[in-house]
Order: sequence, then C-alpha cells, then structure tokens
Amino acid sequence: EIVLTQSPATLVLSPGERATLSCRATQSVTDYLAWYQQKPGQAPRLLIFDTSYRATGIPVRFSGSGSGTDFTLTISSLEPEDFAVYYCQQRSSWPPTFGQGTRLEIK
Amino acid sequence: QVQLVQSGAEVKKPGSSVKVSCKASGGTFNNHAITWVRQAPGQGLEWMGGIIPMFGTSTYTEKFQGRVTFTADADTTTAYMELSSLRPDDTAIYYCARDREQWLLPYWGQGTLVTVSS
Repeated sequence: EIVLTQSPATLVLSPGERATLSCRATQSVTDYLAWYQQKPGQAPRLLIFDTSYRATGIPVRFSGSGSGTDFTLTISSLEPEDFAVYYCQQRSSWPPTFGQGTRLEIK
Repeated sequence: QVQLVQSGAEVKKPGSSVKVSCKASGGTFNNHAITWVRQAPGQGLEWMGGIIPMFGTSTYTEKFQGRVTFTADADTTTAYMELSSLRPDDTAIYYCARDREQWLLPYWGQGTLVTVSS
C-alpha cells in the first residue's frame, strides 16, 4: 500500500498570502495524484486531479505540480473561503490512499 | 449534474449491522464505480472499496474485507454499504462517491453518520 505523507500538518497564514502544501508518496504514483478540500460539516471536494488539472469550477489560484513521489498544491493568494483541510490522494495502484491532511488556518 | 443522496444518521449497538444507502441521479449509474470512504471523528479519509453496478463486482480494502458488503440496484440507481459486527471504533461519517475515471472522485454524497454505542 502506498502511504502518502502530507506536510505541514497545520499551516497558519493570512488572506492574500501564498500557501504551499506538500504530499510525499512512499513509491512513485506517476502523475495520478489528486487534491481534495474539505470544510467542516461538508464532504470533500475535488480540486486537482492527475497532478495539475483543475476540476470543474475550481479557481485558477489553485494549482498542482510534481511527479513520481513529490507533489505540491499551491494556492496563489488565499481567500477567506480557502481555509479548510486539504487531502492528497493517489490512484496509481490498489488500494487508493489518502494523505492524513493539512489543516490551513487563518492567522 | 450527478447528485448522490445518502440515508440518514444511524445509532447502532456493538455487534449489530448497519446498511447505508446512496441514491444517484444524473449521469449514468451502471458503468461508474460507487466508492465508499469513511471518516472517523476528527480524523482523515479512509478508502473502504467500491462497486461497479453494471457488473455487480465489488472490491474491498483489506481492512474491511469480510465485514463489509456493497450492493447496487440499477432499477432504483441506489447503492448500499452494509457493515457488520460493528464496534465503537466504526463510529464515523460514511461517504459514497462516484468516480469519473478509475478511483477519481468528483461526486460525493453528503455523508451518513453512524454511531456505535452501547
């Protein structure tokens, strides 16, 4: 099973700042890495799939990069609604797995 | 627009079973997998497995193999997750989700809270 480790566990930033979230895999997932956003009381929402493709309706301030085992989600300029928990997920091999999440908090 | 609507919250005794439903509308039901993901209170997301309604075939992650059963009814476009031998640590929100490509989940239900308590 591929284990995904996200860092940092918590990121404290102000609106307008740039956020950089990391996800590292224990073995290559090629480019089959997705990012989800989850707000309290809500289901996860797909943001980015296959490393760098934005899902439908996702603002351009969200971008993804990386390959193999190291991936990054970048939010270029934080909006108040971006403060949430973010999960990475690999779909390269069975079983699909999620990272443990990064909590993005308002400073 | 694909929508998934799940059944309501459940409270169960240890050792019993729970069956959660997931009604799909919009899109095609049969040839897309319905995946089940759970989230314990304050914890992360855990992949349980899924079913492809067209074939009736299910895959389960090792942790849940033997204790969970997925079924699907094409006539009512509803998928079901039944978890047996419930324990307090099965207390969680259970989500159904529909894939677009293999193991990619753009569509989610609202979640069903299952509480296991004596």
